[in-house]
Amino acid sequence: GNSVTQMEGPVTLSEEAFLTINCTYTATGYPSLFWYVQYPGEGLQLLLKATKADDKGSNKGFEATYRKETTSFHLEKGSVQVSDSAVYFCALTGSARQLTFGSGTQLTVLP
Amino acid sequence: DGGITQSPKYLFRKEGQNVTLSCEQNLNHDAMYWYRQDPGQGLRLIYYSQIVNDFQKGDIAEGYSVSREKKESFPLTVTSAQKNPTAFYLCASSTPGRGRENTEAFFGQGTRLTVV
Repeated sequence: GNSVTQMEGPVTLSEEAFLTINCTYTATGYPSLFWYVQYPGEGLQLLLKATKADDKGSNKGFEATYRKETTSFHLEKGSVQVSDSAVYFCALTGSARQLTFGSGTQLTVLP
Repeated sequence: DGGITQSPKYLFRKEGQNVTLSCEQNLNHDAMYWYRQDPGQGLRLIYYSQIVNDFQKGDIAEGYSVSREKKESFPLTVTSAQKNPTAFYLCASSTPGRGRENTEAFFGQGTRLTVV
């Protein structure tokens, strides 16, 4: 079946530091890949997505590139802010259109 | 505004009681999902429905039941058979894209269930 392996946290960074959260996946066919963000006590919000190989998703300074050859979709941001503190989930949809999630990475950004 | 609404936000249940969590969407999405989230963990799929009057078990369906009588609504009942129901429950909806593309899911704000 499909699976997503995500970098374990928690991750603590200083403001303006560079962020990378690793995500690799196992799936058959041509999955779509997503990053979701969850702020405390809330549901998940879509951060960015990519639907085919070599696509780059981007939003709010975050980027991730769909790498089929390495089955990866790493999340990056050049300069994090305190307001980026949240839990980040990597996910994919397969042929059954179910979302399969990684375990989440807690990010804390210190001023 | 279109969206997905879960209610209540907080719910307390006595041991041995059944409780029902509401999930309503006005996005005209075909598919709806229920996930459970435990502290510090990822999301686990309880049930999903791709179309009205049809639903399938997810990875942790035991102790839960659902119905899908209307496209807009997908209530989740946590039964007394669920031995450890305290968790954060998230409902989501999505709709198929064209061709191979799968669209993203939209989430509600969640219901925090506590057994007292």
